Amino acid sequence: AQSVTQLGSHVSVSEGALVLLRCNYSSSVPPYLFWYVQYPNQGLQLLLKYTSAATLVKGINGFEAEFKKSETSFHLTKPSAHMSDAAEYFCAVRGYSSASKIIFGSGTRLSIRP
Amino acid sequence: GAGVSQSPRYKVAKRGQDVALRCDPISGHVSLFWYQQALGQGPEFLTYFQNEAQLDKSGLPSDRFFAERPEGSVSTLKIQRTQQEDSAVYLCASSFSEVGETQYFGPGTRLLVL
Repeated sequence: AQSVTQLGSHVSVSEGALVLLRCNYSSSVPPYLFWYVQYPNQGLQLLLKYTSAATLVKGINGFEAEFKKSETSFHLTKPSAHMSDAAEYFCAVRGYSSASKIIFGSGTRLSIRP
Repeated sequence: GAGVSQSPRYKVAKRGQDVALRCDPISGHVSLFWYQQALGQGPEFLTYFQNEAQLDKSGLPSDRFFAERPEGSVSTLKIQRTQQEDSAVYLCASSFSEVGETQYFGPGTRLLVL
């Protein structure tokens, strides 16, 4: 069985500060891992994905995440927060078999202080 | 547009009423998924189609929920005799291949059952 745990339902950082959103996963098979962002009243937008290639994955809007198998983690980072980064972020896991459903975490709301 | 579209965007229903939610996937996408997102939660898988075949409906919460994709393109999620606990955002996603590595999400339909 696969699952995802996001640590911290709400994270607040100052504009220009480092963003760190934590995600730990559980999977019995090599997983696909994703980070999605959701702006108010909008659908989910893919930020980045890990598919067993490079362990450091770069995504859109300056975000990146590192897959650490030993820690079963896939934390999302951005060196310098921007006001437009304020949104809900979801970590997700999917199995390797075809047509596997995505299992989402409960989300982390990111707030940016001016 | 080139993205996944959903209609209606908002739906208010009286308890006991039937509703139908529509999803137009990206043209040519083989796989189609439905998710339910309760307030403050991550999306949860409902069902999956590969072309017109419904291959996984393990996430449908009750037999009041029914989904179809008769021609392998547009899909409809139908909820019969709606209950207050059905209030949620219903998200549709599509992907190009059977593997479904990257799922593209629509904006969702927000259903409120009174």
